[in-house]
Amino acid sequence: AQTVTQSQPEMSVQEAETVTLSCTYDTSESNYYLFWYKQPPSRQMILVIRQEAYKQQNATENRFSVNFQKAAKSFSLKISDSQLGDTAMYFCAFFSFNAGNNRKLIWGLGTSLAVNP
Amino acid sequence: DAGVIQSPRHEVTEMGQEVTLRCKPISGHNSLFWYRQTMMRGLELLIYFNNNVPIDDSGMPEDRFSAKMPNASFSTLKIQPSEPRDSAVYFCASSLAAIGEQFFGPGTRLTVL
Repeated sequence: AQTVTQSQPEMSVQEAETVTLSCTYDTSESNYYLFWYKQPPSRQMILVIRQEAYKQQNATENRFSVNFQKAAKSFSLKISDSQLGDTAMYFCAFFSFNAGNNRKLIWGLGTSLAVNP
Repeated sequence: DAGVIQSPRHEVTEMGQEVTLRCKPISGHNSLFWYRQTMMRGLELLIYFNNNVPIDDSGMPEDRFSAKMPNASFSTLKIQPSEPRDSAVYFCASSLAAIGEQFFGPGTRLTVL
């Protein structure tokens, strides 16, 4: 069974600095997607970024980028020029294409990020 | 697109009462998910539907919980009777099964006194 591990329950960063959140996963499959979701204090879950496993190029979305290491099964999120609005819980999630009718995401436990002024 | 719609946004009820949470997924999405989130247990998947059919309900805590999806545009999660330990934020999410990306509603904050 697939698992997703976020080893940093809490992190903090100063405004305008860069921070990296870690995520590792375990799977025997080769075709899958990985996601980072953000949940700010408003509690709305928002998709930050998506990575297709077959793509070698790391996904980027403005200040958010990933370091996808398929062989190491690592999927870290880098936030550049951190802003106060980046304060949130960040979840890493895994989706398999080979799970038949099983279309659920496998979630990590989350990393709480605080951006300090 | 209105996104995933949930109602009510807040619900306060007394122990023993029936609670019904409602969800309207994004039009065209064929998978729907119900989650529960608490500080103690984090984000838990309760049940999900694919093409209106329940696929995995292994996360439903007990028989007091039930979920239905009578059509592609509506789902309910019912708790009867409710208990204080059911207090949580309940999220509904929908997706196109083929791509996995889930879109979440704003959640329902349930408080059982």
